[in-house]
Amino acid sequence: EPEVTQTPSHQVTQMGQEVILRCVPISNHLYFYWYRQILGQKVEFLVSFYNNEISEKSEIFDDQFSVERPDGSNFTLKIRSTKLEDSAMYFCASSEGFAVWGASNQPQHFGDGTRLSIL
Amino acid sequence: AQTVTQSQPEMSVQEAETVTLSCTYDTSESDYYLFWYKQPPSRQMILVIRQEAYKQQNATENRFSVNFQKAAKSFSLKISDSQLGDAAMYFCAYRGEYGNKLVFGAGTILRVKS
Repeated sequence: EPEVTQTPSHQVTQMGQEVILRCVPISNHLYFYWYRQILGQKVEFLVSFYNNEISEKSEIFDDQFSVERPDGSNFTLKIRSTKLEDSAMYFCASSEGFAVWGASNQPQHFGDGTRLSIL
Repeated sequence: AQTVTQSQPEMSVQEAETVTLSCTYDTSESDYYLFWYKQPPSRQMILVIRQEAYKQQNATENRFSVNFQKAAKSFSLKISDSQLGDAAMYFCAYRGEYGNKLVFGAGTILRVKS
């Protein structure tokens, strides 16, 4: 069964450095998402992306964050200048399908996550 | 804003028995989707079952079924004939009809005893 793949599985970065988290969504999917989970807290939505633009973002997703689909397969999350509080597990997800007012009504499929540790 | 509450941080069940995981949510929307995801240790979240709010019939997927009570804003997951492979973290999640984001509960760790 096709899967969402994320690399790396664990990223350790110095505070203030830029980091790029990579995801390969399922190939026929049209909608892409990033979520994060700080240790001991709920999984939180960051951003959704459709048709090469952000369709929805949360208040967490400030100017330090950006997303890109640089080619036909990868979907990346960049954090420009990392802070200690960015330490979390970051999950990529994708969904196919029929668009209703810019939203997909299909379930989201998740990757294994990237554990980001900021020192 | 929508919220999802899972009041059971941890549950245990004997192999072959039945367990019910609770989930309540708060929303002012009339149409929405509800999901249960399973996350085994160090593995990705996998969709277990979903329910459309406009459907009165409770969703079922093999040994997994839900008890959807729209008026009470309750969406519990029943696992019948529990197996060792069911041990995982279970997340309840909400998505509005026109939104993209999933709103997650805190999760329930399910332990299965042999």
